[in-house]
Amino acid sequence: NAGVTQTPKFQVLKTGQSMTLQCAQDMNHNSMYWYRQDPGMGLRLIYYSASEGTTDKGEVPNGYNVSRLNKREFSLRLESAAPSQTSVYFCASSENGGNQPQHFGDGTRLSIL
Amino acid sequence: GESVGLHLPTLSVQEGDNSIINCAYSNSASDYFIWYKQESGKGPQFIIDIRSNMDKRQGQRVTVLLNKTVKHLSLQIAATQPGDSAVYFCAENLPYNFNKFYFGSGTKLNVKP
Repeated sequence: NAGVTQTPKFQVLKTGQSMTLQCAQDMNHNSMYWYRQDPGMGLRLIYYSASEGTTDKGEVPNGYNVSRLNKREFSLRLESAAPSQTSVYFCASSENGGNQPQHFGDGTRLSIL
Repeated sequence: GESVGLHLPTLSVQEGDNSIINCAYSNSASDYFIWYKQESGKGPQFIIDIRSNMDKRQGQRVTVLLNKTVKHLSLQIAATQPGDSAVYFCAENLPYNFNKFYFGSGTKLNVKP
């Protein structure tokens, strides 16, 4: 029962470097999400994909891009990392969007120096 | 309750006691609510949900109460166990923002043996 799998679990980057965070779900869910979690704050939505082939901006999309590669996979890319993007990133999925629980991965802890 | 900033409100209870964790949500139009549990180093885990046409819902050892008049949600945990120690937070969903949940920052529950 893998659920939502995120890779890598930890990463340290230098300012200006790029990287892609990977997420895959095996629950046949249509909707997928990327959040960031900062100390003492609620999860904030970066981007989401309501269904395969669509992506939309969330609350804090600046500095990020996403790709819904197929129904299972949804990646998050930082093109030019900044210290303000130091955070824990969570991927989630739900069967069909709102009014349904979202299932989360265990996160990627990203530090940008 | 909810908190913004570095320090989460903390609730300390004795093992075996009942716990009540509160959440004030922001939008009177929200029609779906979820409680999540987050253990250190892990992703949020779904506990229980409730729709706005209900004021109470029970699960195994947990009960969620919804008071729409004062925009208040509570999670009651019966016979609290050390394994219940975690951060608990609520999430609300608006009917016209189908894919967007708004998350509280959470309450830390410490269960003393």
